[in-house]
Amino acid sequence: GDSVTQMEGPVTLSEEAFLTINCTYTATGYPSLFWYVQYPGEGLQLLLKATKADDKGSNKGFEATYRKETTSFHLEKGSVQVSDSAVYFCALTLNYGGSQGNLIFGKGTKLSVKP
Amino acid sequence: DAGITQSPRHKVTETGTPVTLRCHQTENHRYMYWYRQDPGHGLRLIHYSYGVKDTDKGEVSDGYSVSRSKTEDFLLTLESATSSQTSVYFCAISESKGGGKTGANVLTFGAGSRLTVL
Repeated sequence: GDSVTQMEGPVTLSEEAFLTINCTYTATGYPSLFWYVQYPGEGLQLLLKATKADDKGSNKGFEATYRKETTSFHLEKGSVQVSDSAVYFCALTLNYGGSQGNLIFGKGTKLSVKP
Repeated sequence: DAGITQSPRHKVTETGTPVTLRCHQTENHRYMYWYRQDPGHGLRLIHYSYGVKDTDKGEVSDGYSVSRSKTEDFLLTLESATSSQTSVYFCAISESKGGGKTGANVLTFGAGSRLTVL
């Protein structure tokens, strides 16, 4: 079935370090891909998205490129800050079919950034 | 969490008791969702609604029922709570189902309701 696999955490980095959180997916058809972020004690917020192959989503210094050939959507940031400490979720939605529009989430990766 | 309110935010109850969680939105969005979040599982869809009185099951619907009598309110009911239903429950809304020609479906989430079943 359709699924999302992301690297397990927790990930601990020093401030200004480079961040990569890996995400791969399995889907029938052509999904849209998302990264959501959950700050402590809060609900999830959309961080960025990409709707077709080779699209790059970007927001707040984070980037992810939709790679159809490797079925991946890795999240990157060049220089993390303490305020980036959160749980990051990779997700997909199918664009057609019975489950159209329903979000399928990965298990989440907790990021802790130390000053 | 603009436009979405979940209540209660925290609840402790005993096994076998009924529990109702409420999600209220002021955005007039057609679609509403209930997810549960558990360590090691991420978020899993329980039920969703695509309009007043129109609901459908998600991935983990057993033991849960929902109702939507008004556009703004989506209720999640545990008829007889069990310890396995201890979780954080999130409501979400979206304008459209997404997909097809309408583009990606972007959800807006509430702040969550933490439920503990003893």
